Amino acid sequence: GAVVSQHPSRVICKSGTSVKIECRSLDFQATTMFWYRQFPKQSLMLMATSNEGSKATYEQGVEKDKFLINHASLTLSTLTVTSAHPEDSSFYICSAREDRTNQETQYFGPGTRLLVL
Amino acid sequence: AQSVSQHNHHVILSEAASLELGCNYSYGGTVNLFWYVQYPGQHLQLLLKYFSGDPLVKGIKGFEAEFIKSKFSFNLRKPSVQWSDTAEYFCAVNRPNFGNEKLTFGTGTRLTIIP
Repeated sequence: GAVVSQHPSRVICKSGTSVKIECRSLDFQATTMFWYRQFPKQSLMLMATSNEGSKATYEQGVEKDKFLINHASLTLSTLTVTSAHPEDSSFYICSAREDRTNQETQYFGPGTRLLVL
Repeated sequence: AQSVSQHNHHVILSEAASLELGCNYSYGGTVNLFWYVQYPGQHLQLLLKYFSGDPLVKGIKGFEAEFIKSKFSFNLRKPSVQWSDTAEYFCAVNRPNFGNEKLTFGTGTRLTIIP
């Protein structure tokens, strides 16, 4: 089946620094990837839709200058949390939609736990 | 606004009991419906999905779900649960005809199976 990886799996950083999270589709091409945020014991909240070769589409209330998304290839999207603060601590999850089947099924990565001190 | 409701926040069952988890969505029109499972410490995995056709959908691990359009529901069922089914279950919806592939998730249901 389709596999999506994320790196790193967890990261601890100081307040004010930037953190980059990678999302890769390992065995399929994905023009479209999605970035979610999951708070403890809560559901996934979509942050943005990442499109290869174009600008990401951000959900209402998500600061595009704070959460920079780059989808440079058909298998890689990155999320950079700029000038991170403790309130940015969360579990960030990406998903990818397989181009070939166009079945609108998203395959999820294992997530990245971010802790900002 | 699009919303997905999962009314059961935490369900506790004994092994071999039957399971039904509720999922309702808020609007008409064509929808795609999904159930995802998140085992402890693992990532979200697709259990089953409904796009069209037979409203009774069978997924992996013995799960099934029934789409009832008139009730705006897509409840998840399993006739006999196992301890290994302990996990968080999420219902999700998107709207293909609006070019909207964004998934909206329910709040999730935590399922605990007692051996």
